[in-house]
Amino acid sequence: DARVTQTPRHKVTEMGQEVTMRCQPILGHNTVFWYRQTMMQGLELLAYFRNRAPLDDSGMPKDRFSAEMPDATLATLKIQPSEPRDSAVYFCASGDLGVNTEAFFGQGTRLTVV
Amino acid sequence: AQSVTQPDIHITVSEGASLELRCNYSYGATPYLFWYVQSPGQGLQLLLKYFSGDTLVQGIKGFEAEFKRSQSSFNLRKPSVHWSDAAEYFCAVGLSGGSYIPTFGRGTSLIVHP
Repeated sequence: DARVTQTPRHKVTEMGQEVTMRCQPILGHNTVFWYRQTMMQGLELLAYFRNRAPLDDSGMPKDRFSAEMPDATLATLKIQPSEPRDSAVYFCASGDLGVNTEAFFGQGTRLTVV
Repeated sequence: AQSVTQPDIHITVSEGASLELRCNYSYGATPYLFWYVQSPGQGLQLLLKYFSGDTLVQGIKGFEAEFKRSQSSFNLRKPSVHWSDAAEYFCAVGLSGGSYIPTFGRGTSLIVHP
């Protein structure tokens, strides 16, 4: 049963520390999304990749967030330095662009910055 | 820009009662439309999707949704709610034309009373 895998599931860190979240998309999917979910803002698109190339990261705070896909099986979202306002659940999703496609979501990484 | 409105933040129903969750979208062309469900601590699971054709679509877990172009709506329905349906429900819209970035509504929290 193919699924999107995210690690870690939970992360508690101190303000100022670097945080790296990882995502293994479904094999064969050519699009990867990073979303952030908070009570205040709901689900916000941070960035997305197609065929490993970043297409849009306008939703990310550029000074502290970075997203990469070093290979087809791994996407990373990094926050450096982290701040308490970054506390949220971060979701990775993957999909296969084209007709009859949808985004398949991982279970998320719950980040708490204290 | 595309947008999605879910006017109800919370919906409370009794077990066995019928359910309708509202979703309105704003997009000039024919959209791709989705309903996702999120259980506590979990990622989003696709319930159903509409791309074209029959405007009444059937999904998993006994859910259905109807696309009404004249009303820019895609409401989710279920004839008889089960306690296990208690969750957060998200409507999403994506661009048509071979490329899409799902934009999500704020979600509707479904509470089921015994």
